[in-house]
Amino acid sequence: EIVLTQSPATLSLSPGERATLSCRASQNIDNYLTWHQQKPGQAPRLLIYDASYRATGIPPRFSGSGSGTNFTLTISSLEPEDFAVYYCQQRTNWPAITFGHGTRLEIK
Amino acid sequence: QLLLQESGPRLVKPSETLSLTCSVSGGSFNSASHYWGWIRQPPGKGLEWIGSISSSGVTHYNLSLESRVTISLDPSKKQFSLHLSAATVADTAVYFCARDRGWELLWGKGALVSVSS
Repeated sequence: EIVLTQSPATLSLSPGERATLSCRASQNIDNYLTWHQQKPGQAPRLLIYDASYRATGIPPRFSGSGSGTNFTLTISSLEPEDFAVYYCQQRTNWPAITFGHGTRLEIK
Repeated sequence: QLLLQESGPRLVKPSETLSLTCSVSGGSFNSASHYWGWIRQPPGKGLEWIGSISSSGVTHYNLSLESRVTISLDPSKKQFSLHLSAATVADTAVYFCARDRGWELLWGKGALVSVSS
């Protein structure tokens, strides 16, 4: 099974700062990497698919990069509504999928 | 706009079967390009894929749950269902249904199911 490791577990930043979240795969997953955002009490929401493509309605401050085993989600300038938990997810053996354990982005 | 809504008992006794149904509205149910899936999230924890079913009824399950899981669909009602047998306290979680097009996961709102005597 492909394991996704997200770091850091918690990231404390202030509004306006730049956030960089990492997701590392235990083996090559090409670009089959998705990022989801989850706020308390809500379902996750698709942000980025195929490593670097923003989903419909996602602001341009969100960007994704990487391929193979190392991936990054960057939020260029944090807005108050961006503080949430972020999960990466891979689909190399779709429809079987796996998720990382998440990065909690909290207000400093 | 496609909407998914989970329904079913929110409290299940240990050793009984946990059953949920997902109702789909506002979009195509029979497309060959996607799967209908279930994902769960124990309180305060991360996400775990349970399994998926195609519009033709082909199923795929998480190996860790395969012996206890059945996913089925009813195209006439635009619904698909999850049955998890021999439930334990460890199965307490928010259960999400989803449409999975590979590159895109569209989530339902989720339903908290507690396993308790």
